Order: sequence, then structure tokens, then C-alpha cells
Amino acid sequence: AQTVTQSQPEMSVQEAETVTLSCTYDTSESDYYLFWYKQPPSRQMILVIRQEAYKQQNATENRFSVNFQKAAKSFSLKISDSQLGDAAMYFCAHAGGTSYGKLTFGQGTILTVHP
Amino acid sequence: GAVVSQHPSRVICKSGTSVKIECRSLDFQATTMFWYRQFPKKSLMLMATSNEGSKATYEQGVEKDKFLINHASLTLSTLTVTSAHPEDSSFYICSASLVLGEQYFGPGTRLTVT
Repeated sequence: AQTVTQSQPEMSVQEAETVTLSCTYDTSESDYYLFWYKQPPSRQMILVIRQEAYKQQNATENRFSVNFQKAAKSFSLKISDSQLGDAAMYFCAHAGGTSYGKLTFGQGTILTVHP
Repeated sequence: GAVVSQHPSRVICKSGTSVKIECRSLDFQATTMFWYRQFPKKSLMLMATSNEGSKATYEQGVEKDKFLINHASLTLSTLTVTSAHPEDSSFYICSASLVLGEQYFGPGTRLTVT
């Protein structure tokens, strides 16, 4: 079974600053995907970034980047130049193996952005 | 692309009645759809995996007779909460899988059982 752990229930950042959200996971699979999803107050889940485990290069999507440490089973999200619209709950998720397509979510981190 | 809709967005029903929630993939065919339940400020809890034309696979602890899932076509899955009770009040979210390892989510349905 896979597990995903987000140890930061809440984080805050000043507008224009950088913040890093932590995520660790446990899996017995060799082939899997990792994701960060954002859930703003509207509660619509939005895919922020995706990382294939076989790729060594860290995924980047504009102001969002990840630090994927496969051996340490760590997958943190860095948000640069934070904006007020980044305020949301962020979920780290894992999909892979025999349950391909089924996502296992972390507990979530509520991010507050201060103007 | 990859838009998923849910209907209704919110519903209030009386205890003991049943309510149906629809999930549609609007611009793609989804062989697999997923149903989640989410409590306020909590994570998404997977209820079941739905494959077109076959019976849904329920997660441990989810009552399949209470939460009926039908996936009649590649673009539509429905969740019916039967004999709803106040403890079934929650936010229900569906998602559809387009490519391996990626899901697109509907906007969710807020169910309130009075």
C-alpha cells in the first residue's frame, strides 16, 4: 500500500516571497507518478504539477517547481514569487503500480498568502 | 480540454430519501472514473473506482449498497446515495482518468441531508 504524508498542516508566506511545501511518500512500486494539486476556496481540484518517477529531472511549471528525491521518497513543492491567488489547500498525491490511476492523497497543507 | 462536470453542485435532501449525483467527462472519453468524499479542511477519501461497463470497486469501509455507482458510458458515471442520513452530508467529488496516472476533477457536489 502507498502512503503520502504532508507534515505541515498550515503554511504562510508573504506575497512575492518563496515557500516550500513538504511531502514524503512510501511505495513499493518502481513505476509511479507524483502530483501536487491545489484546492482553492471554490473546492475545484486543480493540477499544479506532475512528476514521473523514472525522470530524474525535476518538473517545473512557471512559478511552481518540485524537488524530487527518489531515494529519500521526498517530493516538495516550491512556489516562487507567491501571489494572493496561490492561497489554497495543497495536496500531494501518488499514483502507480498495480492500482495505476488510483490516487493516494496526503493530508493537505493550507497555504495563506499575506499581502 | 479535459473538463469534468458534476451535477448538481449542491443538493439538500430529507433523511431517508435517495439522491443521485452525475459526473460527466465533457471533451474526452474516460475509461475510469473515481468518486471521493471530502470533509471540511480534510483530504479526499477515495470511495470507489468505476470502470465503464463493469461493477465499481469500492474501498474498504465504503458501503456499496448505500453508495451505488453506475458507469454506463465512457462519459458518464453516477453516484446514488440511498436512504441518506445526516452523517452522509459531505462534499462529493468525482474525477476522470484521461492518461495513465492523471485525473481531472469535477467541481464537486455539496450534499446536505436534513
